[in-house]
Amino acid sequence: EIVLTQSPGTLSLSPGERATLSCRASQSVNNHFLAWYQQKPGQAPRLLIHGAVNRAAGIPDRFSGSGSGADFTLTITRLGPEDFAVYYCQQYGSSPYSFGLGTKLEIK
Amino acid sequence: EVQLVESGGGLVKPGGSLRLSCAASGFAFSDYSMNWVRQAPGKGLEFVASISSSRRYIHYGDSVKGRITISRDDAENSVYVQMYSLRLEDTAVYYCARRYGDGWSDYWGQGTLVTVSS
Repeated sequence: EIVLTQSPGTLSLSPGERATLSCRASQSVNNHFLAWYQQKPGQAPRLLIHGAVNRAAGIPDRFSGSGSGADFTLTITRLGPEDFAVYYCQQYGSSPYSFGLGTKLEIK
Repeated sequence: EVQLVESGGGLVKPGGSLRLSCAASGFAFSDYSMNWVRQAPGKGLEFVASISSSRRYIHYGDSVKGRITISRDDAENSVYVQMYSLRLEDTAVYYCARRYGDGWSDYWGQGTLVTVSS
């Protein structure tokens, strides 16, 4: 199983700042098959990024994904109040399709 | 509008069984693979199972392998997961999600809560 390690566990920032979230895999992720999801309390996850770099439909361009191999990054520029949530990465290239433990983005 | 509605959750004793259902609408269900993902209280997301549109490809998470069976009924636009020998650590909200493209989950249901307790 590919283990995904997300860092930091918690990120404290202010609205308007830039957030950089990391997802590191225990081995190379096939074909950049890496997604990012946002989850708010009491809600289902919401797809943000697929294929490591492709924004899902309706996702603002302040969200961007980058990386390849085993190192991936989600960047959120100009944080809005609605962006404070938990973010998960998932690899879907090799079963079981594992998730990271998440990064909680909280208001400073 | 794509909708996924899970049902079948509830309280079950350790060692018991439970069948979860996910009713899909708003898209050509038979063309899509489907996933089940769970989330224990206060914890992160965990892959449970997936089934391809053809049923040819079925995958399970390591923690549930051997205790769970995923199936689908295209006539009913539904996907199911039958869980056996339930353990305390199976307590979680179980989400179904549509698997799109190379395998990301683009639409999710609101989840159904399974509580395993004596």
